[in-house]
Amino acid sequence: EVQLVESGGGLVQPGGSLRLSCAASGFSFSDYAMSWVRQAPGKGLEWVSVISGSGGSTYYEDSVKGRFTISRDSSKNTLYLQMNSLRAEDTAVYYCAKNMWGGRSGWFSPYFDYWGQGTLVTVSS
Amino acid sequence: EIVLTQSPATLSLSPGERATLSCRASQSVSSYLAWYQQRPGQAPRLLIYDASNRATGIPARFSGSGSGTDFTLTISSLEPEDFAVYYCQQRNNWPPLTFGGGTRVEIK
Repeated sequence: EVQLVESGGGLVQPGGSLRLSCAASGFSFSDYAMSWVRQAPGKGLEWVSVISGSGGSTYYEDSVKGRFTISRDSSKNTLYLQMNSLRAEDTAVYYCAKNMWGGRSGWFSPYFDYWGQGTLVTVSS
Repeated sequence: EIVLTQSPATLSLSPGERATLSCRASQSVSSYLAWYQQRPGQAPRLLIYDASNRATGIPARFSGSGSGTDFTLTISSLEPEDFAVYYCQQRNNWPPLTFGGGTRVEIK
């Protein structure tokens, strides 16, 4: 059974940092690209970042470029999101999500078939 | 960036009725569009991919259609568990991956 379990959320002051983790199990982690998707309170879904299965390719949504870094550790089957210079508008539930298809074709076809339960990040003084 | 516009924002229907949800793209996304369902307090769930293919385990009452810029999600007969928020997402031209703003299906 595929499971994605996020952790690391919490309350942080503007300008602060947090590192989110997503522990994956039930599939061949290194074969699948993974993304972070966030949802501000009462709002819709917003894609944040993606990383390839090998970790060699990454993309970011414009508002987080230069502040957030996505990474993965295949030895630990864990996805990370390092968030620096946090702003109030980064307040959201952050979900990790698995690409539906693995390999190269999956990288070019990002739909998300499994999601974690989400971790809440609150940026406030 | 491709903008996805969903309509209506809210759909008020009774169990057993048919629901028709729309997603319009700002430019063609071919057939590379997915639909997700999000129940309160839960993560999104993939329903439909590539416009018309049901994901694993999704009941046949959910169907998707469309191509280019206009897409439809149809729920043929609403069950109590179908009252939720639905999002479309495109993968034709990314980054960024983009989602629509959502349609809430509520009990009338």
